Amino acid sequence: ETGVTQSPTHLIKTRGQQVTLRCSSQSGHNTVSWYQQALGQGPQFIFQYYREEENGRGNFPPRFSGLQFPNYSSELNVNALELDDSALYLCASSKRDPGGNEQFFGPGTRLTVL
Amino acid sequence: QKEVEQDPGPLSVPEGAIVSLNCTYSNSAFQYFMWYRQYSRKGPELLMYTYSSGNKEDGRFTAQVDKSSKYISLFIRDSQPSDSATYLCAISQGAQKLVFGQGTRLTINP
Repeated sequence: ETGVTQSPTHLIKTRGQQVTLRCSSQSGHNTVSWYQQALGQGPQFIFQYYREEENGRGNFPPRFSGLQFPNYSSELNVNALELDDSALYLCASSKRDPGGNEQFFGPGTRLTVL
Repeated sequence: QKEVEQDPGPLSVPEGAIVSLNCTYSNSAFQYFMWYRQYSRKGPELLMYTYSSGNKEDGRFTAQVDKSSKYISLFIRDSQPSDSATYLCAISQGAQKLVFGQGTRLTINP
């Protein structure tokens, strides 16, 4: 069974640029959630994708957007990067219909905005 | 007031000690309770998952949920240096977002 994978591992961008992060869900899972984790803090929910539609969103501005593909993989896009966007971005996959809410995380992408 | 409160520590105990980690929450609609372990610069790893009041045991780990007090705990018996990590509680109402505590940084000293 393949776990959740994310790419790239690290990324350095400058303020104002755009970035795309990628996530492959665990085998058998159909739902992907994205979280932002600032240093020393718990992860904060950005949004969730289920059946290729956004299915819930946290308190993040519209410049954070995403996609889910038919194979359940997902992308997180962030436009107009700000210094405060520097964080570890985590992807979690889970299984719905049927299933509960056990979310399994990938290793994360560490984004640094200069 | 934060939805989930967790003492950030740091917490340092000797090897073999019993460790108690705790979180409180404010919304009685929460019904799923999880504990994650996160090593430095890694993604969180799911340790325990429960959706009812009471205890759940898995090896050296016991998760306890008290919905009447809105209080959850994780106990680690016979703690090992390899248990040194940040422990995150996470709570949810349903299949969508997890609400995390700040995380408690734990060090087990040999």
